[in-house]
Amino acid sequence: ETGVTQSPTHLIKTRGQQVTLRCSSQSGHNTVSWYQQALGQGPQFIFQYYREEENGRGNFPPRFSGLQFPNYSSELNVNALELDDSALYLCASSRAGGGPANEKLFFGSGTQLSVL
Amino acid sequence: SQQGEEDPQALSIQEGENATMNCSYKTSINNLQWYRQNSGRGLVHLILIRSNEREKHSGRLRVTLDTSKKSSSLLITASRAADTASYFCATPIKGSARQLTFGSGTQLTVLP
Repeated sequence: ETGVTQSPTHLIKTRGQQVTLRCSSQSGHNTVSWYQQALGQGPQFIFQYYREEENGRGNFPPRFSGLQFPNYSSELNVNALELDDSALYLCASSRAGGGPANEKLFFGSGTQLSVL
Repeated sequence: SQQGEEDPQALSIQEGENATMNCSYKTSINNLQWYRQNSGRGLVHLILIRSNEREKHSGRLRVTLDTSKKSSSLLITASRAADTASYFCATPIKGSARQLTFGSGTQLTVLP
C-alpha cells in the first residue's frame, strides 16, 4: 500500500461531458504524474506537475489539463470526453531530487473512467 | 506509443517454478524499472537497474540489463500464487527519471 489516494474509484460519464479526478500524494512527495491505462495496455504518461507547474507532457491533447496545489495534491481535468477516454487513470507521486532513491514512482489505485 | 515491449504477453507456470519476462526498448536509457500491477489497480515498484549495471537482485527477483541489445529480463524464482499479476518494464522519457514510458506488460499466472 502506498500513501497515494485517488478519488473517485469509479466514474461513468457520457460523451462530451467534463470530468475531474483527484489525487493526494504521499507524504513528503512534491511531484505528481498522471497516467492513462487502456485495457490490456501499459500506462501512458499524460503529464507531470512540480511546484504547481506542468513539468513535462506526453502525447495528449489540450483538453487534458491539470493542477497541483500547494499541499502537492493534484487534479486531472478532461474536457469534451470521447469514448476512447475510457481507461484507468493513475496518479503517481515522487520526490524530486535526493538522488537515485527518489527515482521510483508510488502509484495510487486509480480511477476507472467509463465514457458512454 | 510504448517504448518498451514485454515478452511473452502472457505466461502461466506452476507454483515453485521460475518465471522469466523480457523487455526490449528503443532508445538509450540511464535506467530501467520494473513494476507490478495486481488486477488492473495501482502499480508497485519492484526494482530499478542503472545503465552501468548488468544484474541486480532483490529477494526472489533478479533483473538483468543488456544495453547493447536494448533489453532487460526479470526473473522471479520459486514463484508463488501471490506473484500472479501483470509485470511492466519502464524507461525514462527523454532522460527524466520520473516521467516514464511503459511497455505493454506480461500477464503472469502462477497456478497453485
